[in-house]
Amino acid sequence: ETGVTQSPTHLIKTRGQQVTLRCSSQSGHNTVSWYQQALGQGPQFIFQYYREEENGRGNFPPRFSGLQFPNYSSELNVNALELDDSALYLCASSSAGTGPGNTIYFGEGSWLTVV
Amino acid sequence: QKEVEQDPGPLSVPEGAIVSLNCTYSNSAFQYFMWYRQYSRKGPELLMYTYSSGNKEDGRFTAQVDKSSKYISLFIRDSQPSDSATYLCAMSVAGSARQLTFGSGTQLTVLP
Repeated sequence: ETGVTQSPTHLIKTRGQQVTLRCSSQSGHNTVSWYQQALGQGPQFIFQYYREEENGRGNFPPRFSGLQFPNYSSELNVNALELDDSALYLCASSSAGTGPGNTIYFGEGSWLTVV
Repeated sequence: QKEVEQDPGPLSVPEGAIVSLNCTYSNSAFQYFMWYRQYSRKGPELLMYTYSSGNKEDGRFTAQVDKSSKYISLFIRDSQPSDSATYLCAMSVAGSARQLTFGSGTQLTVLP
């Protein structure tokens, strides 16, 4: 167990709808990143939050947005869902100021199916 | 061309075999190199982490980084059926060390 919890684990949405995914980071971790993993592909970086501010973003459109809360938990919001948004969404937590490989822990992910 | 290329497999080996998994990359700014293991429908689990070039060993696992060739490898000795999973290489640059760029993963099956 990594201590990173995500919810919901599975959900089905209709094209055009909006979805919110949630992540609780490991205790003591102040940085949360979100990744999208399509079937048969590696995870792709969406964005990262540090101390409630977005401080890095991958090649994803603005309809992908996020929040980080004072307790370092985080949300990923996706508006105007498209069929290609169907994927496993992974949350990763880490602690700024230490070696990246030693402290990046992933949750089990949220499986999103858009129909 | 993707920044990180990984042999997709699938790779099937008998129990006890030595497994070699590889990735190549194009971005010379990558400084941190990681290998993750992902079981079906689960989140990635960190196996090995290496900074810059060199080798690192942890039990049955050895990670190698050759920055001059932009090539990284993971070796698994005495492979077990429980090693059957997808293996993902991941990399990041200094200054954005937590923004990982992943390969597409190699699916490994170790047959008993």
